[in-house]
Amino acid sequence: ETGVTQTPRHLVMGMTNKKSLKCEQHLGHNAMYWYKQSAKKPLELMFVYSLEERVENNSVPSRFSPECPNSSHLFLHLHTLQPEDSALYLCASSPWTGQEQYFGPGTRLTVT
Amino acid sequence: AQSVAQPEDQVNVAEGNPLTVKCTYSVSGNPYLFWYVQYPNRGLQFLLKYITGDNLVKGSYGFEAEFNKSQTSFHLKKPSALVSDSALYFCAVGSGNFNKFYFGSGTKLNVKP
Repeated sequence: ETGVTQTPRHLVMGMTNKKSLKCEQHLGHNAMYWYKQSAKKPLELMFVYSLEERVENNSVPSRFSPECPNSSHLFLHLHTLQPEDSALYLCASSPWTGQEQYFGPGTRLTVT
Repeated sequence: AQSVAQPEDQVNVAEGNPLTVKCTYSVSGNPYLFWYVQYPNRGLQFLLKYITGDNLVKGSYGFEAEFNKSQTSFHLKKPSALVSDSALYFCAVGSGNFNKFYFGSGTKLNVKP
């Protein structure tokens, strides 16, 4: 599709669980992003990585913990989430920050 | 503070008619602007961008957008709408710090046969 894959596509977790979202890009890009998309709200930028270094943390609660082991992979580790964290989580990549982004299909997260 | 506004939650157009999806922005410094489209159960797809140069930019699927600095707008347009254009459209803006940019709340485009 777009060269950015995300797993799992759907995830249901309890508030005490720990889970991780995975993103992989096959485009040779150097920047990667995590977004949260909730119904009737603007897309929220969560984290930005450039050359595996976190360059932006947009006031995201510590229960969300990103990890970028290399320029092709990005993880979002989740623990003790709240029901209001239920949303579509989108990963994206771009050649460098500030350029057009290519999005994955997203992970639909439901916190029960 | 930087922001972007899409004043219409929904736009309805008949197939074959021209369409416009509006976007206005507020930034300090020179803006760089993007349009993305999202189909159901899919991620966003890049349509077009303005960084510098010609105010009229052309993008994918016959879409174009005009950068208007005096009106701080970047409206998306297409001369003849298709039913397959029905989707959610997002405008995004950034400036200066390439690590920080903002998306609008989205406009749902409905193209009726």
